[in-house]
Amino acid sequence: SQTIHQWPATLVQPVGSPLSLECTVEGTSNPNLYWYRQAAGRGLQLLFYSVGIGQISSEVPQNLSASRPQDRQFILSSKKLLLSDSGFYLCAWSVLAGGPNTQYFGPGTRLTVL
Amino acid sequence: GDSVTQMEGPVTLSEEAFLTINCTYTATGYPSLFWYVQYPGEGLQLLLKATKADDKGSNKGFEATYRKETTSFHLEKGSVQVSDSAVYFCALSKSGGGADGLTFGKGTHLIIQP
Repeated sequence: SQTIHQWPATLVQPVGSPLSLECTVEGTSNPNLYWYRQAAGRGLQLLFYSVGIGQISSEVPQNLSASRPQDRQFILSSKKLLLSDSGFYLCAWSVLAGGPNTQYFGPGTRLTVL
Repeated sequence: GDSVTQMEGPVTLSEEAFLTINCTYTATGYPSLFWYVQYPGEGLQLLLKATKADDKGSNKGFEATYRKETTSFHLEKGSVQVSDSAVYFCALSKSGGGADGLTFGKGTHLIIQP
């Protein structure tokens, strides 16, 4: 069965510091990978998605970036965090096999920028 | 662009009451529709889905029917339990397949009182 991991689970960082969040998927090959952000009291906003190694699509312009160095690894980064980067970051995966784009989510990382 | 609208709540019900959470969408073509559930501090779990008009998704006593004529996908449960307390998200994926991210509603906070 497939499993998705995210770490760290929680993170408190000062404004202006760098960020690296990691997501890995087990039990599947060539997944599509996604980063979403959930701000307090709001829905989910898609940040990036990737259909393969080195292939990144950005949905919103911001000071975040994403990379996919391996087939089942997806990394979210920032060089300098802003207060507005605080939120709950969720990674998700899907595999398209002629059906709908059903996405499965990880446990999330709670980021607080102070 | 595509959008999903759902009642935000909180919705407060007594145990064993009937539940309806409304969800309507705006999209071109025939999107796939999903309901996800989020328990406090956790990621999203897929609850049910439907891929074409008049399809009924069901899981754990929850049901939702894809109504193309009213562009709706309302979530229902006949008798709720305290353990159903969570935030529920309605979402859609674009018609025609593809690895694009899902479009989410803002979520409905459900509180079940014993």
